[in-house]
Amino acid sequence: ILNVEQSPQSLHVQEGDSTNFTCSFPSSNFYALHWYRWETAKSPEALFVMTLNGDEKKKGRISATLNTKEGYSYLYIKGSQPEDSATYLCAFLRGSQGNLIFGKGTKLSVKP
Amino acid sequence: DAGITQSPRHKVTETGTPVTLRCHQTENHRYMYWYRQDPGHGLRLIHYSYGVKDTDKGEVSDGYSVSRSKTEDFLLTLESATSSQTSVYFCAISEQANTEAFFGQGTRLTVV
Repeated sequence: ILNVEQSPQSLHVQEGDSTNFTCSFPSSNFYALHWYRWETAKSPEALFVMTLNGDEKKKGRISATLNTKEGYSYLYIKGSQPEDSATYLCAFLRGSQGNLIFGKGTKLSVKP
Repeated sequence: DAGITQSPRHKVTETGTPVTLRCHQTENHRYMYWYRQDPGHGLRLIHYSYGVKDTDKGEVSDGYSVSRSKTEDFLLTLESATSSQTSVYFCAISEQANTEAFFGQGTRLTVV
C-alpha cells in the first residue's frame, strides 16, 4: 500500500448499533497514525494519535487500535448515536517532518 | 479552540492572477500544513512546514508555493490561479509531527 486507504466509504447504521472502520497505510517509514472526526460545515477535530504497534486508545464510546507491522488501524464506535454522524478520517505520518497524509474518510450516518 | 486563523475566508479571483492565503497561529506550534479539500478526494496535503523557513512539498504541490518567515504565519501562494485550484483550503498546526493537528476554519477559493 502506497497511500492511506479507508473502508468503507460510507456506512448507514441504526441508533444503538456498534460499528467499525478500517484504515490501511504503508507499513514502512511509520511515525504515527491519527484519527479525526469531521462534521459537516466544521473543521476536522482530532480523536486519537497513535505511535506504537499495539496501541489502543479510548474516548468515551470510541476506541481505536493500531497494527504497524501489517499497516492497519481500526476505529470502533459502540452504541452509535445520531450525533456520531460525521466523516471519520485517518492520517498517516510519513517520516518525522510532518508529511501527514489523509485517507478519503468513512462517512457515517446514524439514524434515530 | 486552538488559536488559528485563516484569511481571507472567501475569495473569488480570475484565472491567471496570483493569490495568497494566510494562516496565522497564536499557539507557537512548530508544524504547519496546507491542505485542499475536494469532493471525492478528501484532504490532500499541498505543503507543510516543520519550522521557520523549513518547508516541504506534499501530495499536490504543483502550482503552489509557501513561505514561513516567522513561527506564527504560513502563507500559501497560487502563482497563477487556474480553475482547477477552485477548492476549500485548510490550514492546520501541530506542536509536534506526532501530536494532534488543529485545523483552521477553511478558505473557500473560487477561480473564474
